[in-house]
Amino acid sequence: QSALTQPASVSGSPGQSITLSCTGTSSDIGSYNFVSWYQHHPGKAPKLMIYDVSNRPSGVSYRFSGSKSGNTASLTISGLQADDEADYYCTSFTTSAYVVFGGGTKLTVL
Amino acid sequence: EVQLVESGGGLVQPGGSLRLSCAASGFTFRNYWMSWVRQAPRKGPELVALINLDGIPTYYLDSVRGRFTISRDNAQNFLFLEMNSLGAEDTAVYYCAKDLTWQQFDYWGRGTLVTVSS
Repeated sequence: QSALTQPASVSGSPGQSITLSCTGTSSDIGSYNFVSWYQHHPGKAPKLMIYDVSNRPSGVSYRFSGSKSGNTASLTISGLQADDEADYYCTSFTTSAYVVFGGGTKLTVL
Repeated sequence: EVQLVESGGGLVQPGGSLRLSCAASGFTFRNYWMSWVRQAPRKGPELVALINLDGIPTYYLDSVRGRFTISRDNAQNFLFLEMNSLGAEDTAVYYCAKDLTWQQFDYWGRGTLVTVSS
């Protein structure tokens, strides 16, 4: 069982906006703004999409945005595209283990 | 272009050993903390080991402490993971990851598969 809780699957149609959730505790997401999101197409290297809750690395589409409220972080993808179909993982810094991961959400673009 | 390329994975019997390597290029390797992250089948990823700029291991996952050793060669730009007394629970894809800040990883390799089975 992963430390952060993510829904196993989410789906959406092209052009739609979807939001992926990531629930932690007051020991991780609730205490630190070091929350990141990764996109992983199987067989490829995971890609950092969001860091520090809401910052986008250079080269990441503006369609990806992050936020946090209390112990829950969220990743919103707007204008869904076929290539967005992938597994998405959230992480948070935590003093007990440096970083904890979510179990991942499989995003399907219908 | 930043590149991280893992190697050294494979099939190993329970109780056996493997040494994973990660060749880094495209950035000043000695200036960044580095990590090994693994993902077992049908599970979320987990941080296995973390090493600081000076080559001092900073973190080991509880289940690998005493069996795994992380190290780095800042002259040759390599990260290593020595794995001993391997068990079925160590079966996973192992990724090398570069730390951006506070264990948020801005670059990852494609991973190398470790399978522990008789």
